[in-house]
Amino acid sequence: DAGVTQSPTHLIKTRGQQVTLRCSPKSGHDTVSWYQQALGQGPQFIFQYYEEEERQRGNFPDRFSGHQFPNYSSELNVNALLLGDSALYLCASSVDRGSYNSPLHFGNGTRLTVT
Amino acid sequence: DQQVKQNSPSLSVQEGRISILNCDYTNSMFDYFLWYKKYPAEGPTFLISISSIKDKNEDGRFTVFLNKSAKHLSLHIVPSQPGDSAVYFCAASDTGTASKLTFGTGTRLQVTL
Repeated sequence: DAGVTQSPTHLIKTRGQQVTLRCSPKSGHDTVSWYQQALGQGPQFIFQYYEEEERQRGNFPDRFSGHQFPNYSSELNVNALLLGDSALYLCASSVDRGSYNSPLHFGNGTRLTVT
Repeated sequence: DQQVKQNSPSLSVQEGRISILNCDYTNSMFDYFLWYKKYPAEGPTFLISISSIKDKNEDGRFTVFLNKSAKHLSLHIVPSQPGDSAVYFCAASDTGTASKLTFGTGTRLQVTL
């Protein structure tokens, strides 16, 4: 049973460029969340997708956008990259059961470096 | 504004002894709390959770205590094992479930022989 898979594992981009990160949720999971973890910090919530819609959003600018596909996989897009966007981007999946979400299962992350 | 704080960046404990990791929060709307463990080059792994209607939850060697009046929770690991060496993150949610989590900055636990 594959867990959460993310691609690529590492990425180097230049300021001003755009990047797309990909995530496949754990089998049976229908909800995908994205987190940004800067060095020495805890993960910060970016947004959550359920039924192909953005359901919740954290305090991130509109440069951060996402998408969820019918097979529940998801993409995170970041436009106009800044040096401060350098971080580990974590995808997490869970099962939505109405008022209850199962604990998040995280992937190993994509390390983005902006130069 | 750090709403979830883990004030001890690191902790060293001998194998077999108890490890106590602490977490404080400031947002009184938080009603669901979780602990995650993270090894290098891996994503965080869920350990244990507790709802605000409880003050204790146990799962094997792991117990989480919640003191709502003090806005404090702790994770006890008994007995500690070398494989427990990792970074531990405390996380909280105001949705009553594991959604839109706010994480602390983590505590690195080192279990020595």
